[in-house]
Amino acid sequence: EAQVTQNPRYLITVTGKKLTVTCSQNMNHEYMSWYRQDPGLGLRQIYYSMNVEVTDKGDVPEGYKVSRKEKRNFPLILESPSPNQTSLYFCASSLIWRTTGDTQYFGPGTRLTVL
Amino acid sequence: GENVEQHPSTLSVQEGDSAVIKCTYSDSASNYFPWYKQELGKGPQLIIDIRSNVGEKKDQRIAVTLNKTAKHFSLHITETQPEDSAVYFCAASSLNDYKLSFGAGTTVTVRA
Repeated sequence: EAQVTQNPRYLITVTGKKLTVTCSQNMNHEYMSWYRQDPGLGLRQIYYSMNVEVTDKGDVPEGYKVSRKEKRNFPLILESPSPNQTSLYFCASSLIWRTTGDTQYFGPGTRLTVL
Repeated sequence: GENVEQHPSTLSVQEGDSAVIKCTYSDSASNYFPWYKQELGKGPQLIIDIRSNVGEKKDQRIAVTLNKTAKHFSLHITETQPEDSAVYFCAASSLNDYKLSFGAGTTVTVRA
């Protein structure tokens, strides 16, 4: 089954404790992206990646890091989480963004709480 | 950067009636406009999209219209059904960059 998977689905942590949210897709997509969803703000793009070893900032990158060492994986890293990073996070992937302006397939989401 | 505004934030309709959601965008270079539906506890799912060389697109009960001059686009759902109840997001992107900017979302409730 074609899908985007995220782990963990739920996470409660404390300020300053480094964490990683994993994202994996099995559709051989080149484009991958991370969003955060907050009430009244919709989805805001954190980082995106056009291909392996190619990443760029979205609209709200502060406090986050990403890496794209393999085509299928795009982990989101919070080096020192803070309470304002409490949010619902979505990973998404699509085929080739530039050529098709293609459908983005979203993962099920990760609800993160930073105390 | 792109700024997308979406209205209304909530919409309640009687089953069988139509629902309309409107979005405006700021970047005249934007040329790809998808609409996503998000059901409770799930990630957003694309329901329809339109590109700037097209003024209207239909898919069964769903249609999207685009007015590039006024920089706004709308989602129309006809003959609404209870399963249409969800949060709907509009988005805009330019093929000159790789960012997708979303509206704040519309919570649609279809009353039986």
